[in-house]
Amino acid sequence: GAGVSQSPSNKVTEKGKDVELRCDPISGHTALYWYRQSLGQGLEFLIYFQGNSAPDKSGLPSDRFSAERTGGSVSTLTIQRTQQEDSAVYLCASSLRSGSFYEQYFGPGTRLTVT
Amino acid sequence: DAKTTQPNSMESNEEEPVHLPCNHSTISGTDYIHWYRQLPSQGPEYVIHGLTSNVNNRMASLAIAEDRKSSTLILHRATLRDAAVYYCIELGAQKLVFGQGTRLTINP
Repeated sequence: GAGVSQSPSNKVTEKGKDVELRCDPISGHTALYWYRQSLGQGLEFLIYFQGNSAPDKSGLPSDRFSAERTGGSVSTLTIQRTQQEDSAVYLCASSLRSGSFYEQYFGPGTRLTVT
Repeated sequence: DAKTTQPNSMESNEEEPVHLPCNHSTISGTDYIHWYRQLPSQGPEYVIHGLTSNVNNRMASLAIAEDRKSSTLILHRATLRDAAVYYCIELGAQKLVFGQGTRLTINP
């Protein structure tokens, strides 16, 4: 079946511009996660959605970052006034439910380059 | 911070078994142990997870110590395609907390 998809696959933007990154989770998955991986760094959690509950935003690095999930499916991660340190691969994952028992399935990522 | 400890790197030969260790000495009773791997230029891929009993799937086996303070991911017959960074994660809260993982090199 279809996995997690993300678009665009690559995005180059100028410093100070806003960007939107999209994630389509696996159909039927109620939990959705955003992570990012900077060059040479590990993966870090950004934000998590579970159903209609308030999202866990504890990993967002600054108030320039926001995310929404419409209709319990597609999610958009928005970065305002991009900075060079925002350059990274942004990864989306989904799982059937939230909780320790459920595995997460990752998309291919969006590579963001801020020039 | 990641709560698990893994060797930075390991090396094995093609078609031989590989045992990847992980220590999670502070794991709580309800946290599952998850393993993911990341192939070059790809997103992480789920491998296997378990709570107390040993687990097997088409990709690997997971052996969990009786005290749950350590586990071992077993690739029964490594191929070149298994070369990746392998992450062992205690999943308690919803989010995965990735450490540095073990970089596995497979020699032909």
